[in-house]
Amino acid sequence: AQSVTQLGSHVSVSEGALVLLRCNYSSSVPPYLFWYVQYPNQGLQLLLKYTTGATLVKGINGFEAEFKKSETSFHLTKPSAHMSDAAEYFCAVVEGSTLGRLYFGRGTQLTVWP
Amino acid sequence: DSGVTQTPKHLITATGQRVTLRCSPRSGDLSVYWYQQSLDQGLQFLIHYYNGEERAKGNILERFSAQQFPDLHSELNLSSLELGDSALYFCASSARLVLNPGQNTDTQYFGPGTRLTVL
Repeated sequence: AQSVTQLGSHVSVSEGALVLLRCNYSSSVPPYLFWYVQYPNQGLQLLLKYTTGATLVKGINGFEAEFKKSETSFHLTKPSAHMSDAAEYFCAVVEGSTLGRLYFGRGTQLTVWP
Repeated sequence: DSGVTQTPKHLITATGQRVTLRCSPRSGDLSVYWYQQSLDQGLQFLIHYYNGEERAKGNILERFSAQQFPDLHSELNLSSLELGDSALYFCASSARLVLNPGQNTDTQYFGPGTRLTVL
C-alpha cells in the first residue's frame, strides 16, 4: 500500500530564507508524486508533479522538487520565502495499481516571518 | 480558480440528518473524485467516478453514497450523520481517459470544498 510521510507538521522560516518541506513515500511500483498547496478556506492547488523523466521538477511560484528514488523522497524547496507562501502544503502519491486515487501526507503548515 | 465548483460552501445540520453535496467538474473532465479532510484523518480518498461509473472506493462509510450523472456532475450523499462526519469535503476532477490500471496520472483539480458541521 502507498503511504506518504511529511516530516514536520509545522515549519517556520524568515522571509527570504530557504524553504525545505520534506516528503517521503513508500510504493511498490513507480510512483507519481505531487505537491499541493492549500491556502486558508480554499481548495488544493497543484504546485508541481513528477510522473516520468527529469527528476528535478519545477512548479509554480518558484517551487521545485526533486524525485530521489534511492531515498524514496520528494522534498519541496524554494530558494527565497515570501510572505505569500504561508499556507499548508501536502505531498501526495498516486498508487500505480489503482485508478488515480491520491494518497496524501498529513500536511506541513508553513509560516513565514517578516 | 480551478474550474471545479462545489455547493454549498457551508452546511450546518444535526445528527441523524441527511445531506447532499454537489460537485461540477471542469468542462470536459470525465473523472470526479471525492475526498474528506478532517483533523483526525487528514485528507482521505472516498470514491472515484469516471463517466458515470464507479471506478474505485476508498474509506467511504456505508452511510455515504455517491453518483455521477449524465451531465458529469456528481453528488455525495451523507446520511444518518454523526458528529464525527464534520469535515471538509472536496471533489476533484481530471480529464484523462482511463485505459489501464496504473496509467491514470492526469492532474486532479480540486474544488473549493464544502464545510460540513454536524451539531
